[in-house]
Amino acid sequence: AQSVAQPEDQVNVAEGNPLTVKCTYSVSGNPYLFWYVQYPNRGLQFLLKYITGDNLVKGSYGFEAEFNKSQTSFHLKKPSALVSDSALYFCAVRDVNTGFQKLVFGTGTRLLVSP
Amino acid sequence: DTAVSQTPKYLVTQMGNDKSIKCEQNLGHDTMYWYKQDSKKFLKIMFSYNNKELIINETVPNRFSPKSPDKAHLNLHINSLELGDSAVYFCASSQEPGYSNQPQHFGDGTRLSIL
Repeated sequence: AQSVAQPEDQVNVAEGNPLTVKCTYSVSGNPYLFWYVQYPNRGLQFLLKYITGDNLVKGSYGFEAEFNKSQTSFHLKKPSALVSDSALYFCAVRDVNTGFQKLVFGTGTRLLVSP
Repeated sequence: DTAVSQTPKYLVTQMGNDKSIKCEQNLGHDTMYWYKQDSKKFLKIMFSYNNKELIINETVPNRFSPKSPDKAHLNLHINSLELGDSAVYFCASSQEPGYSNQPQHFGDGTRLSIL
C-alpha cells in the first residue's frame, strides 16, 4: 500500500526567502505525486503534479517540486516566499501500476511566512 | 462558477440525529469522493463513486451512507450522529477514476459539529 510522509508539522520562513516543504513517499510501483494547498475554511486546491518525464515540475503561484526517485522524495519549493503563501500544504501519492487506487494524503505541513 | 459545491457549509446538530450533506459538481467529471478531515487536519477518504457506482468504501461505520443519483451529485447521509463524527467533510471530483493522473477538485467543506 502507498503512503506519504511529511516530516515537518510547520515550516517558518521570512518573506522573500526560499522555502521548502518536504515530502517522501512509498509505493510498490511508479508514483503519481501531487501537491495541494488549503487556505483557512477552504477546500484543497491543486498546485502541481508529477507524472513522468522532467523531474522538476512547475505549478501554480510560482511553486515547483523536484521528484527524486532514489530518495523517494517530492519536495515543494518556491524561490521567494510571500506572506500570502501561508497555508496548509498536503502531499499526496497514487500508485500507477496497481490499477485503481485511492489518493493517499500526507498529514500536512503548515507554512508560515512572516513579513 | 463554483466547480464543486457542498451544502450546507455549517451543520450543528445534536447527538443521535440524522443529517445529510449534498454535493454537486459542474465539471463533467466521472468520479466523486467524500473525505473526512479531523481536528488535526488529517484527511482520509471515505467513499468514491464512478458513474453512480461505488468503487471505494473505506472502513467507515455503516451509519454513513453515500448516494449518487447521477454522476454530478454525491450525497452523504449520516444516521445516529456521534460526538466523534465532528469534523469537516469534503466532497471532491476528478475526470477519471483510479489510476488517472488527473487532480481532484475539492469543495469548500461542510463543518459538522455534534453537541
